[in-house]
Amino acid sequence: DSGVTQTPKHLITATGQRVTLRCSPRSGDLSVYWYQQSLDQGLQFLIQYYNGEERAKGNILERFSAQQFPDLHSELNLSSLELGDSALYFCASSPRTRHNYGYTFGSGTRLTVV
Amino acid sequence: TQLLEQSPQFLSIQEGENLTVYCNSSSVFSSLQWYRQEPGEGPVLLVTVVTGGEVKKLKRLTFQFGDARKDSSLHITAAQPGDTGLYLCAGAMDSNYQLIWGAGTKLIIKP
Repeated sequence: DSGVTQTPKHLITATGQRVTLRCSPRSGDLSVYWYQQSLDQGLQFLIQYYNGEERAKGNILERFSAQQFPDLHSELNLSSLELGDSALYFCASSPRTRHNYGYTFGSGTRLTVV
Repeated sequence: TQLLEQSPQFLSIQEGENLTVYCNSSSVFSSLQWYRQEPGEGPVLLVTVVTGGEVKKLKRLTFQFGDARKDSSLHITAAQPGDTGLYLCAGAMDSNYQLIWGAGTKLIIKP
């Protein structure tokens, strides 16, 4: 157990639907990062939050949004889902905004859009 | 555009052989991290190298950070089937809040 908890582990939904992925960071970590990983591909950075505020945005679609709550858990909302959104979605956390000492990843949510 | 080129993309070797994975960039990094990912799981941090020329060892794995802090290598000695996985390098820059990721090396060790 890495200390980063992601739910649900698996999600199957239809095109056009909306889903919410949840992440609880490791205790004491203030930064949360969301990544997308398609089959046999590397990690694509989506967005970062630090202590409730958005800090950096990557290749995140307008149909996707995220937030970090006062208790530091984060949610990634995916709407108007398309087949191409099927992927593994990972959350990672780190103690501060600076990442020189590595991230702790959750075990991911596998999203299948049918 | 900041790129971290990782090679090879795929490597399949027999148990007991040695191998090296490379990450190269034209950018200078304040640190470089190596992760290992198993299918269906999140990446797990193996090591962070911070100083140019730094060498770190983790059992049969040796990690090196280039003198100019633009490149890094991962060497595995006497590979075991348990080393199978996706190896990812990621570079940190002081000017960015996010890591720059390599595309990964898919490593298969055959018994």
